[in-house]
Amino acid sequence: DAKTTQPNSMESNEEEPVHLPCNHSTISGTDYIHWYRQLPSQGPEYVIHGLTSNVNNRMASLAIAEDRKSSTLILHRATLRDAAVYYCILRGQTGANNLFFGTGTRLTVIP
Amino acid sequence: DAGVTQSPTHLIKTRGQHVTLRCSPISGHKSVSWYQQVLGQGPQFIFQYYEKEERGRGNFPDRFSARQFPNYSSELNVNALLLGDSALYLCASSRRTGVGGTYEQYFGPGTRLTVT
Repeated sequence: DAKTTQPNSMESNEEEPVHLPCNHSTISGTDYIHWYRQLPSQGPEYVIHGLTSNVNNRMASLAIAEDRKSSTLILHRATLRDAAVYYCILRGQTGANNLFFGTGTRLTVIP
Repeated sequence: DAGVTQSPTHLIKTRGQHVTLRCSPISGHKSVSWYQQVLGQGPQFIFQYYEKEERGRGNFPDRFSARQFPNYSSELNVNALLLGDSALYLCASSRRTGVGGTYEQYFGPGTRLTVT
């Protein structure tokens, strides 16, 4: 699976938007971009995924660069509950269902 | 609907012992995956089972084994425990596997294993 690169940590003020970047320069044409997050003392939680077009759901938005070599997870209004480690993961369309987690970005939300 | 459940939540074992961890997937989910998460790191893939067959294996020694039952629940077994096996073991379920790359995984709370 292709590798992703994320900043180790980021901070955001509560109720402000947060943009979490991810670089994936070796992405293949059929790789989906998935985001998961892990709150303290919990298992990872699915956030959003996309292939080429930007995606929105109730949790977040995913902006995908035109060349697909990078993407950004957008939390529109950070809350204290959004403090977590966010993982950007590439998933191929075939084969096993496994996820390859990196070290992710630890998001701190400041009240 | 109940989420993914795992048992036990915590356990302490001694080096050389054997351990069995259990996972019940979300109703209707046929795929179960196991991950190991060492403190400070992201989860590492161990196994995936779909329809009772192994569909994927990560880079773990043969001391690690797993199986999936007809009701889609799963067990992870670790033999000859080492200190380095101390970790959070996560189970994840999904509806399907393979083609599409789109099936999100739902994780349980994990089993915290401490080897002394």
